[in-house]
Amino acid sequence: DTEVTQTPKHLVMGMTNKKSLKCEQHMGHRAMYWYKQKAKKPPELMFVYSYEKLSINESVPSRFSPECPNSSLLNLHLHALQPEDSALYLCASSFGRVREKLFFGSGTQLSVL
Amino acid sequence: ELKVEQNPLFLSMQEGKNYTIYCNYSTTSDRLYWYRQDPGKSLESLFVLLSNGAVKQEGRLMASLDTKARLSTLHITAAVHDLSATYFCAVDTYNQGGKLIFGQGTELSVKP
Repeated sequence: DTEVTQTPKHLVMGMTNKKSLKCEQHMGHRAMYWYKQKAKKPPELMFVYSYEKLSINESVPSRFSPECPNSSLLNLHLHALQPEDSALYLCASSFGRVREKLFFGSGTQLSVL
Repeated sequence: ELKVEQNPLFLSMQEGKNYTIYCNYSTTSDRLYWYRQDPGKSLESLFVLLSNGAVKQEGRLMASLDTKARLSTLHITAAVHDLSATYFCAVDTYNQGGKLIFGQGTELSVKP
C-alpha cells in the first residue's frame, strides 16, 4: 500500500458546524502533515506530527485542531470556521520528518458557507 | 527567511516546443523536489534531486540541480497537451527545521 487516503473528498460546512478531516497511511511512515492550499497558490504547512507527537504548529488558528491517534492516522478537527478557510486541505506523510520525500493524499476540498 | 522563486509563473506553449522552468532559492540546501499538480488534485512527486549536479529524466521532463548557483531547472522537451498542469519546486530546509518550502508554482498550458 503506497497511498495516503483522505476522507471526505469534498466537504461543505457552515460557520457553526464541527467536522473532521481524516487521513490514513499504511506505509510505516512516522511523520504526517497537514497542508492548506488556496487556488493557484502553493501548499502552506499547518501542522507536522513526528512519531505521533506534534512537532510543528505554524501558528494556525485554534479553530483547527489536529490529532494523531496512532502512527497511521491523522485527523483535523474543524470548528467555527470562516469563509476564508475554504481551501484544499492536503495530508502528507514521510518516513521521517527531515530530508524525506513527502507522499500526498488526494485532498479534501472544503467550502465554508 | 528562505525564499523559493519560480520563473515563469505562467507558461503557454505549443505542442512540440521545448521550454525550461527555473527554480531559484535563497539558502543552502542540497535537496530539491519537483511536484506536478492537476487542478483540484493532489501533488504528484516527479523528481527528487539529492546533490549538486543531479540530473533526473522521466519521459519529456528533465530536472537538474546546481546547489552552488541555488538553481534547479525543469526542462520540457517536445511538449504535449498531457503535460498541462501546475509544477512546483520545493526546497528541503534540513538546517532550518526540516520544512519543505514551496515555490509559487508554474502554471503550464500546452496548446495544439
